[in-house]
Amino acid sequence: AQSVTQLGSHVSVSEGALVLLRCNYSSSVPPYLFWYVQYPNQGLQLLLKYTTGATLVKGINGFEAEFKKSETSFHLTKPSAHMSDAAEYFCAVSPNTGGFKTIFGAGTRLFVKA
Amino acid sequence: DAGITQSPRHKVTETGTPVTLRCHQTENHRYMYWYRQDPGHGLRLIHYSYGVKDTDKGEVSDGYSVSRSKTEDFLLTLESATSSQTSVYFCAVGPSNSPLHFGNGTRLTVT
Repeated sequence: AQSVTQLGSHVSVSEGALVLLRCNYSSSVPPYLFWYVQYPNQGLQLLLKYTTGATLVKGINGFEAEFKKSETSFHLTKPSAHMSDAAEYFCAVSPNTGGFKTIFGAGTRLFVKA
Repeated sequence: DAGITQSPRHKVTETGTPVTLRCHQTENHRYMYWYRQDPGHGLRLIHYSYGVKDTDKGEVSDGYSVSRSKTEDFLLTLESATSSQTSVYFCAVGPSNSPLHFGNGTRLTVT
């Protein structure tokens, strides 16, 4: 069985500060991992994904995430927050063996203060 | 862009009435999904389809049914709407080991 835990339903940072959104997962098989972003009144958009290979993954808008198997984590970071980064962020996991069950975390809403 | 259109975008209905939500895609994807989004729960899978007339249940399927008679259309029906089904519903397409592409959602209110 798979599950995803996002630590912190709300995170607030100042503009220019480091963004760190935490995601831990459990999976009985090697997973594929994703971060999605959701702006108000829109669907989810892919930020980045980990499938195989390099464990540090770079995505759009300056975000990156590192897959740490030993810690079962896939935390999302960005060195310097912009006001436009304010949104809700979702971590998701799916098995690399196929199937149809992408599991999403509960989401973290990011607030950026001027 | 997978060209996903959900209709209606907003719906208010009364308890006990049937409601059908439509998802239309233009990219000929085989796999389609219906999720509901609720605060504190993220997105939860209701039903999914892996081909025309091939559908299966997700984790929160009670009270919902789906149909897929054409590749491009995936319908979600609430057989008798209840207040607990007030939510935002998202359609998505794509194989689950690849990024999913989402529609813009349908906000459903059951009074």
